Amino acid sequence: DAKTTQPPSMDCAEGRAANLPCNHSTISGNEYVYWYRQIHSQGPQYIIHGLKNNETNEMASLIITEDRKSSTLILPHATLRDTAVYYCIVSDPPLGTGNQFYFGTGTSLTVIP
Amino acid sequence: GAVVSQHPSWVICKSGTSVKIECRSLDFQATTMFWYRQFPKQSLMLMATSNEGSKATYEQGVEKDKFLINHASLTLSTLTVTSAHPEDSSFYICSARNGVSGYTFGSGTRLTVV
Repeated sequence: DAKTTQPPSMDCAEGRAANLPCNHSTISGNEYVYWYRQIHSQGPQYIIHGLKNNETNEMASLIITEDRKSSTLILPHATLRDTAVYYCIVSDPPLGTGNQFYFGTGTSLTVIP
Repeated sequence: GAVVSQHPSWVICKSGTSVKIECRSLDFQATTMFWYRQFPKQSLMLMATSNEGSKATYEQGVEKDKFLINHASLTLSTLTVTSAHPEDSSFYICSARNGVSGYTFGSGTRLTVV
């Protein structure tokens, strides 16, 4: 079952930073935080993942609180193509044994021109 | 890298017939693949975990005799919806563990049963 809580929807102005929060208060010590997004009628797309340190890649930044009970995905300069449902998922390490990967309800982000 | 190909992307079938959906990992081996179902305006629901060379593990409430899963090789898993009915119409998505970033997802299969 999903172990994360996200706001159902958010708006963001084009060109501004989009900050998407996620609560995962029951995260265990070896579980990672993954972020995926799903554009309508497509499969989910990987964005970023992290364990406890902040992470950044070409798509986004991931900020994880020190107690690891929450995180924030940051899209630094949102474009209209970033309109999607964003899912925050807590699961095993990437090289783990492959336990189930459960989706919560996600946040529907709308980027406004 | 880490591409998952899913086929077909959409299918329409008559009620009572069976439909097979394929999921292939193109550039990596996947001992474990996952099958999801997504209804309109809802999140992805995990249906089953497909293990290469062994029986699939189904989530609670998913009928294993209706949703047959075969994972005969390290790059291919198939989901067969048997005796499909209109209520089985949904978006079916597979994923594979890629060992790097977590999971790679296929592009999904839109099943419509008429």
